[in-house]
Amino acid sequence: SFVLTQPPSVSVAPGETARITCGGPNIRSYSVHWYQQKPGQAPVLVIYYDSDRPSGIPERFSASNSGNTATLTISSVEAGDEADYYCQVWESDTDQYVFGTGTKVTVL
Amino acid sequence: QVQLQESGPALVKPSETLSLTCTVSGASVNNNGHYWNWIRQPPGKGLAWIGSIDDSGNTNYYPSLKSRVTISLDTSKNQVSLRLSSVTAADSAVYFCARDWVEVGATSHFFDSWGQGALVTVSS
Repeated sequence: SFVLTQPPSVSVAPGETARITCGGPNIRSYSVHWYQQKPGQAPVLVIYYDSDRPSGIPERFSASNSGNTATLTISSVEAGDEADYYCQVWESDTDQYVFGTGTKVTVL
Repeated sequence: QVQLQESGPALVKPSETLSLTCTVSGASVNNNGHYWNWIRQPPGKGLAWIGSIDDSGNTNYYPSLKSRVTISLDTSKNQVSLRLSSVTAADSAVYFCARDWVEVGATSHFFDSWGQGALVTVSS
């Protein structure tokens, strides 16, 4: 099945920009969705359909998808952004939901 | 605002069947375009999709779990249930239920609402 690869960890200083990648063969042909999960909590949708933000998600969260890599960008990082982030796609051929391996974002 | 709440035994013995219920409020489980999913997360690990059921009761399971998983709807109680048989320690995880609401014309699926999760440990 489709495998989505994310870096295990990303570290960023407050106020800087964090970029989290999600790699997969020709991922551009899929719609990529992103979730934030804080310790002990359920995941929260932060980006859907590659770059759309649900209501209530700050504009600091943005995303793109091209070639073999989708990227979640968090601008002006705050301490409260420290969390695990997962990408996700839906494979229409198999009707399966696939999650990325997850990235832990640490705010220095 | 839809809310989901998982419930069930926190401890299950090896070889037995894990049973969890997701009680839904703010939406009906048989609302058109709704898919109800179970996702699990072993301690310290990532998210893994288990399976889904749509508003008509059609199911779809992760291939390697298909022989052990049953997901069902109880429309009278507005609940979604998960049964996982012949469990082993590898099935110990936090189990989440999540909603996928597919609008007309949608080309992908994602989870817009999640329960808080239920920790299930498989141990004798």
